[in-house]
Amino acid sequence: DVKVTQSSRYLVKRTGEKVFLECVQDMDHENMFWYRQDPGLGLRLIYFSYDVKMKEKGDIPEGYSVSREKKERFSLILESASTSQTSMYLCASSLGVGGSDYEQYFGPGTRLTVT
Amino acid sequence: QKEVEQDPGPLSVPEGAIVSLNCTYSNSAFQYFMWYRQYSRKGPELLMYTYSSGNKEDGRFTAQVDKSSKYISLFIRDSQPSDSATYLCATSTDSWGKLQFGAGTQVVVTP
Repeated sequence: DVKVTQSSRYLVKRTGEKVFLECVQDMDHENMFWYRQDPGLGLRLIYFSYDVKMKEKGDIPEGYSVSREKKERFSLILESASTSQTSMYLCASSLGVGGSDYEQYFGPGTRLTVT
Repeated sequence: QKEVEQDPGPLSVPEGAIVSLNCTYSNSAFQYFMWYRQYSRKGPELLMYTYSSGNKEDGRFTAQVDKSSKYISLFIRDSQPSDSATYLCATSTDSWGKLQFGAGTQVVVTP
């Protein structure tokens, strides 16, 4: 069964802290994504990676960075957390080009609150 | 302006009614169209997928894409309380990723 796990369901951090959100998939997928979800705005893409060596900015990368040292793990880093980054963060993965690559499988999300 | 517009609702319907959801988009390069369903405190899951214009049916669910008017629809027949969720439309220019999502419509089906 397909599984994407995220390290925390709920997280509370202080302004200025460095925050790490971890995501692991067990499906040998090539592509991984980080989104944030806010009421009225839907899901917005922060960063994505379509190969262990390749990372690309999404629509709202400012204030974030990512790390993908292993194929199954994709980390989102908030360099200096701000209150505007309080949100639900969702990780997703997809198979990759050449297969049934359109379906993204999502983790349960991490609700991050920055105070 | 967002590339994909979707009314956030909530949309409340009685059990057994037809649920009609829709989105509009602005980028004519979008070729792939999807509907995701998201239950409370869960991640979204793919419900329907359509390439280019046309209709697709899967059980009680029908997805329609009209590229000429840049309009995407999802219909749920014989709605059940278990259909209560947020439904997100999504589009892409390529098949493998980088989706543009609508805001999501919250649907409540009352017994």
